[in-house]
Amino acid sequence: AQSVTQLGSHVSVSEGALVLLRCNYSSSVPPYLFWYVQYPNQGLQLLLKYTTGATLVKGINGFEAEFKKSETSFHLTKPSAHMSDAAEYFCAVSEKAGGTSYGKLTFGQGTILTVHP
Amino acid sequence: DGGITQSPKYLFRKEGQNVTLSCEQNLNHDAMYWYRQDPGQGLRLIYYSQIVNDFQKGDIAEGYSVSREKKESFPLTVTSAQKNPTAFYLCASSIDKTGTALTGEQYFGPGTRLTVT
Repeated sequence: AQSVTQLGSHVSVSEGALVLLRCNYSSSVPPYLFWYVQYPNQGLQLLLKYTTGATLVKGINGFEAEFKKSETSFHLTKPSAHMSDAAEYFCAVSEKAGGTSYGKLTFGQGTILTVHP
Repeated sequence: DGGITQSPKYLFRKEGQNVTLSCEQNLNHDAMYWYRQDPGQGLRLIYYSQIVNDFQKGDIAEGYSVSREKKESFPLTVTSAQKNPTAFYLCASSIDKTGTALTGEQYFGPGTRLTVT
């Protein structure tokens, strides 16, 4: 069974500082990995995803994440935080097609990012 | 514009009443999902459907029911048997054939906040 752990339920950074949100996963097969962002009282928006190929993936709003198989990690980073980045971020994993959990996403518990001026 | 709509945005009910949450999509997606979101717990899967007239229980299906009579619609009923129905409910969809479908990428609606007193 697949699972996702996000280290730190709250992360606080200053505007302009590096953003690092941590995600570790477990999966019995090579996974697909996702980061979603959620603003208050809204749905989730896809930031970026890793499926195959290049392990460093770039997403919207200047975010990127690196898939490290040896560390079973998919940490999200942004070089310089902006006030508008304040939101909750979710890491998710999906098993590839063909497994019994085909198409289903398993989410981490979320990390709330606060950006201080 | 294609997308997923959920209505209403806010819903209030008395304890003991059944309530139905609407989810409609015009993305021509095959698969649809319902999640429940509680603070600090991430998203938990209630039900999902990969084709019309078929659906599967997720991790927390007790006290909920769904139907999938049309490809575009996947309503969720919160029954009086659900012990803690107050939560934020999110509907999502994904293609279930070729393309991005096989990655498990899901698209989310704006959510319905249900309060039961």
